[in-house]
Amino acid sequence: GAVVSQHPSRVICKSGTSVKIECRSLDFQATTMFWYRQFPKQSLMLMATSNEGSKATYEQGVEKDKFLINHASLTLSTLTVTSAHPEDSSFYICSARGEGTGELFFGEGSRLTVL
Amino acid sequence: AQSVTQPDIHITVSEGASLELRCNYSYGATPYLFWYVQSPGQGLQLLLKYFSGDTLVQGIKGFEAEFKRSQSSFNLRKPSVHWSDAAEYFCAVGSGDGNKLVFGAGTILRVKS
Repeated sequence: GAVVSQHPSRVICKSGTSVKIECRSLDFQATTMFWYRQFPKQSLMLMATSNEGSKATYEQGVEKDKFLINHASLTLSTLTVTSAHPEDSSFYICSARGEGTGELFFGEGSRLTVL
Repeated sequence: AQSVTQPDIHITVSEGASLELRCNYSYGATPYLFWYVQSPGQGLQLLLKYFSGDTLVQGIKGFEAEFKRSQSSFNLRKPSVHWSDAAEYFCAVGSGDGNKLVFGAGTILRVKS
């Protein structure tokens, strides 16, 4: 089946630094990818929709200048958390819509810890 | 606005016992409904989905779910739980194009031997 891979799976950074998380569709092309955030013991919240070749669409309340999304190719979307703070610590998950069935496939997630 | 409620935060069942995880949704039109499973540190795996047609949907790993419009519910069931089913389960409702999913808070399933 279709596979979506995220890297890194875990990252620890200092407050004030920026962190980039990659989301790749390994065996299919994805014109649209989605970025979710999951706080401990809570559900996933959609942050933004990443569109290949155009600007991302952010959900209400999500700071686009803080969470930079780049969808430069049909198999790669990146999420950059800029000037990270401890409150940005979370589990970030991406998903991509598969070709044909249109099923959403999820990456394994990236756990960000900001010290 | 769409919303999903999973009333049970934790459920513990004995191995071999039956399982039902509850999900209620709020959506103005005919919903697209999903159940996902998440193992610790992993992404989500789709168990099953309902778009239209037969209201009893069969999924992977022996799971099934029944869409009941009158109750706005989409409960997940399994006749006999295995220890490997221990995980967190999320119910989700999707918009008409299926692009945006709204997730419930999740139910953590523990299986005791």
